[in-house]
Parts: sequence; structure tokens; C-alpha cells
Amino acid sequence: EADIYQTPRYLVIGTGKKITLECSQTMGHDKMYWYQQDPGMELHLIHYSYGVNSTEKGDLSSESTVSRIRTEHFPLTLESARPSHTSQYLCASSTPYSNQPQHFGDGTRLSIL
Amino acid sequence: GQQVMQIPQYQHVQEGEDFTTYCNSSTTLSNIQWYKQRPGGHPVFLIQLVKSGEVKKQKRLTFQFGEAKKNSSLHITATQTTDVGTYFCAGEADYKLSFGAGTTVTVRA
Repeated sequence: EADIYQTPRYLVIGTGKKITLECSQTMGHDKMYWYQQDPGMELHLIHYSYGVNSTEKGDLSSESTVSRIRTEHFPLTLESARPSHTSQYLCASSTPYSNQPQHFGDGTRLSIL
Repeated sequence: GQQVMQIPQYQHVQEGEDFTTYCNSSTTLSNIQWYKQRPGGHPVFLIQLVKSGEVKKQKRLTFQFGEAKKNSSLHITATQTTDVGTYFCAGEADYKLSFGAGTTVTVRA
């Protein structure tokens, strides 16, 4: 099993709060990703990174922001949470080469009241 | 941009029966990957196909990559309750991996 960790696993919080979802991997992977997924639905890529100091927006517009100061760490931040942000957030990583799979964390289930 | 379409969206299968899920891309792919997500879990990599016309098997699962490298299929024989989950295909082109919407499989015992 891949060594990629997300915290917290579950978070229920009120509207307007600032939230940071943590994602860390110990595999030394350069590429990291954040996906948003509603229950039983498709994966939407919201952010990705090619390496340190690299961040790119994904296919789905998101009000969240990310940073990549260290290779192993790729946190996602919501400055002011809203009920529309309620979803599951999945972090993944891969090597920078072609033909390589993505390794997913267990996800954070976020509920905004 | 690159799009990966997957059908059907839902597959209800009687235990013991076979079924197939299909994946189609609007562009030629360098490879296609398949993932399985169990209910409440996260996607887990199953297999990757790289060569045109490639066929790979994992026990009761057979994966195929089309000759034109624009489509793929996953065939499951003798479905079991352990096959429940959502199967995603993901096609890579220009170093970018795009996921299909997934086929969610339920099994009637």
C-alpha cells in the first residue's frame, strides 16, 4: 500500500471558518494532486503540482488554494468554508514520468454546516 | 481538451454473471489505467495498458486496450460480491491523466 497520508479523515465545521487539509507522502514523488469527489460520483481534479514551488489549477474551478514548499507536503486551504464545499477531498501522488499510476490517500470527508 | 467517457455509469449484476465496462477517449492515449474504489474507500490502482491491442488478465478481470489506443474495456467473469465498487479508467495523453466518470457496480446475491 502506498505511503500517502491525509488528515483529518473527517471534519465537520461551521460556515466561514478557515480550513487546511493536510496531505503528505513519503515516496519522494514529485507530482501531487487534489481531487474533489461527491459520494459515488466522478473525480474532479482541482489542483496539481509538478514539484516544489509548482502549483497549477485543475479542470474544476475551486475556491481553494494549495502550496508546495516541500516535496512531501501538499496542503489545501479553504479561506472561508461554505456549505457548497461539502465533499470528499482526495490527495494523490505519482512519479513525474509517463505511464505511472497515481497513489491515493484515504481522503478527507468535509462537511460544512 | 482530452475527454474520457465511461459507460455504463451503473451496472447491476447477478452474482455469477459476467459484465463489461467500456472506456472511450477523444484523443489517442499513451496508456490507460484502471482503478477500483470500494464504497467508502479511495481509488486503488489495478493495472496499466500501454501497447496497442494489449490484453491483460487479473484472475477474473480481463483488461483490453484498443488497436487505435483510444478505447479500453474491463470484463469481469463470474461476478462476486467482492467486485462491488466503482471502476475508473484513466487515460494519459501529453503526460496528463484524465479520469472517466466511473462505472459503479452492485451485485445481487
